[in-house]
Amino acid sequence: AQSVTQPDIHITVSEGASLELRCNYSYGATPYLFWYVQSPGQGLQLLLKYFSGDTLVQGIKGFEAEFKRSQSSFNLRKPSVHWSDAAEYFCAVRPHNNNDMRFGAGTRLTVKP
Amino acid sequence: DSGVTQTPKHLITATGQRVTLRCSPRSGDLSVYWYQQSLDQGLQFLIQYYNGEERAKGNILERFSAQQFPDLHSELNLSSLELGDSALYFCASSAETGTAYNEQFFGPGTRLTVL
Repeated sequence: AQSVTQPDIHITVSEGASLELRCNYSYGATPYLFWYVQSPGQGLQLLLKYFSGDTLVQGIKGFEAEFKRSQSSFNLRKPSVHWSDAAEYFCAVRPHNNNDMRFGAGTRLTVKP
Repeated sequence: DSGVTQTPKHLITATGQRVTLRCSPRSGDLSVYWYQQSLDQGLQFLIQYYNGEERAKGNILERFSAQQFPDLHSELNLSSLELGDSALYFCASSAETGTAYNEQFFGPGTRLTVL
């Protein structure tokens, strides 16, 4: 069955520390891959996406993600977290041949001062 | 501000009732998507319309229906409401043409509470 897994429900990091949020997917073929951020009371904003090519993709707000086909993973990283990064982060996948976007359960990020 | 607007922002109603949620896409976007975000189910894709026609269907209940009008705004109709329908309903739009992917821009959502 097609699925997206974000193993960490809640992560707390100190401001200035590095961050890695995990995402694993199970699909028949490599889907399109996305990371979205949702701030409290807001809609979702696209951070970055992977379609093909270079497996390390750069996004907005200093985020990057690396696609690893062998591990079916698409982990999100940021070298130095800012307090304003506190939000909920969603990994999402979409097959190439339809519009059925599947979201992970989300990871809530708390940033300690 | 994504350019996608949703009304109302909050909606409180009773079980068995029917409600309509409205979405106006970004100017020029032809595709509208509806999503439901609830605590137990997470974020789920419900349905997509492209230029007035239904394009894709996700986990949408038979009690729910949607349409996209000639001016491209969309409405999501929820009927025979149950407590479990309480959720945040998001609309997103994209400039999608054909099957090529375009970024989806999300609205701020409508929070539905069923009492």
